[in-house]
Amino acid sequence: DTEVTQTPKHLVMGMTNKKSLKCEQHMGHRAMYWYKQKAKKPPELMFVYSYEKLSINESVPSRFSPECPNSSLLNLHLHALQPEDSALYLCASSQGGGETGYTFGSGTRLTVV
Amino acid sequence: GESVGLHLPTLSVQEGDNSIINCAYSNSASDYFIWYKQESGKGPQFIIDIRSNMDKRQGQRVTVLLNKTVKHLSLQIAATQPGDSAVYFCAETSGTYKYIFGTGTRLKVLA
Repeated sequence: DTEVTQTPKHLVMGMTNKKSLKCEQHMGHRAMYWYKQKAKKPPELMFVYSYEKLSINESVPSRFSPECPNSSLLNLHLHALQPEDSALYLCASSQGGGETGYTFGSGTRLTVV
Repeated sequence: GESVGLHLPTLSVQEGDNSIINCAYSNSASDYFIWYKQESGKGPQFIIDIRSNMDKRQGQRVTVLLNKTVKHLSLQIAATQPGDSAVYFCAETSGTYKYIFGTGTRLKVLA
């Protein structure tokens, strides 16, 4: 299995809702990432988990809460989002840091109404 | 601050011609670079990488060139095909988990 699987593919949520994005990989990768991508822009790093521990938080608002239940799973819990949080949320994984590169999932297209 | 890439340009190329996509980076400590291809509605897909101890690397129909003197990276696509139409991002890292992505280039292949 050489894929990163993200669910759901599309999500519409109200500003008072709580929802979760899920990401799964079975490549034995030890690092997992959440990126946010607005239209016609490059991906922006949000969080990095290394060996199931949060190692980087790029000053992301607390309405985004990551969770890494095990080495294969990564969640992003969403609460009280704003319309400007609408974007494509990408999960990625890598064997390690540095010179290993990422494998990206296809993303979750999130719309906040 | 650090930045990679240019404002998003669009490159239009005739099918069968060669394409060259450019990227500038500013962090002289970066030692690993990747080109990603992103098709509409999909996540970025790894194309080719290069380490800072190399200046050229070839793959299938793609070549990456690295000029550390002027901090410039380029992606060459030979015999461009309609399936090559996408947005292309360069990304750099200095050996950490964090990659910095360039602003991207949209490649349009004309039939």
